[in-house]
Amino acid sequence: DVVMTQSPLSLPVTLGQPASISCRCSQGLLHSDGNTYLHWFQQRPGQSPRRLIYKVSNRDSGVPDRFSGSGSGTNFTLKISRVEAEDVGVYYCIQGTHWPFTFGPGTKVDIK
Amino acid sequence: QVQLVESGGGVVQPGGSLSLSCAASGFTFSPYGMHWVRQAPGKGLEWVSFIRYDGTNEYYADSVKGRFTTSRDRSSNTLYLQMNSLKPEDTALYYCAKEYSFEYWGQGTLVTVSS
Repeated sequence: DVVMTQSPLSLPVTLGQPASISCRCSQGLLHSDGNTYLHWFQQRPGQSPRRLIYKVSNRDSGVPDRFSGSGSGTNFTLKISRVEAEDVGVYYCIQGTHWPFTFGPGTKVDIK
Repeated sequence: QVQLVESGGGVVQPGGSLSLSCAASGFTFSPYGMHWVRQAPGKGLEWVSFIRYDGTNEYYADSVKGRFTTSRDRSSNTLYLQMNSLKPEDTALYYCAKEYSFEYWGQGTLVTVSS
């Protein structure tokens, strides 16, 4: 199975400052169909997960443009350009290229 | 708007069975594959299963393979998860999610496996 690691696991941030989360995979995620199925989700306290970014860098409708995704192969990054209070929560990456799909362990973002 | 409503959770003894449902509305159900994802209390997300749009193929996490079965009913726009031989480690909030890339999620239904 593809092992997903995220770093850091805990990320205290100052409001208005940038934040970056790394997601690394034990295998490359380029699918035979040419897509890279690496997605990012946000889970606010007490809520269901919400997709932010799909296929590495595509921002979902309604997601603020301060969120961006990048990467290729086995290394991927989620960036928040200026953290706001509503960004507190846990962020997960998932690979959807190889069965079984696997999530990263999550990165908890909170405000310093 | 897209709605996914899970139901069927509850308390069951180890070794028992439970069937979960996910009622879909606000979109055309038949063209989309569907996932089940679970989250144990205080833990991270774990992918459980996926069924293709036409029900021809199913995929499962190793932890549930042979015990869980996912199915779908096009006429009622409903996704199902039949869970057999339940173990305490299956205790979790179970979510359904729309589409191969998890575009939308429901609110979840809680399954507790305990004697």
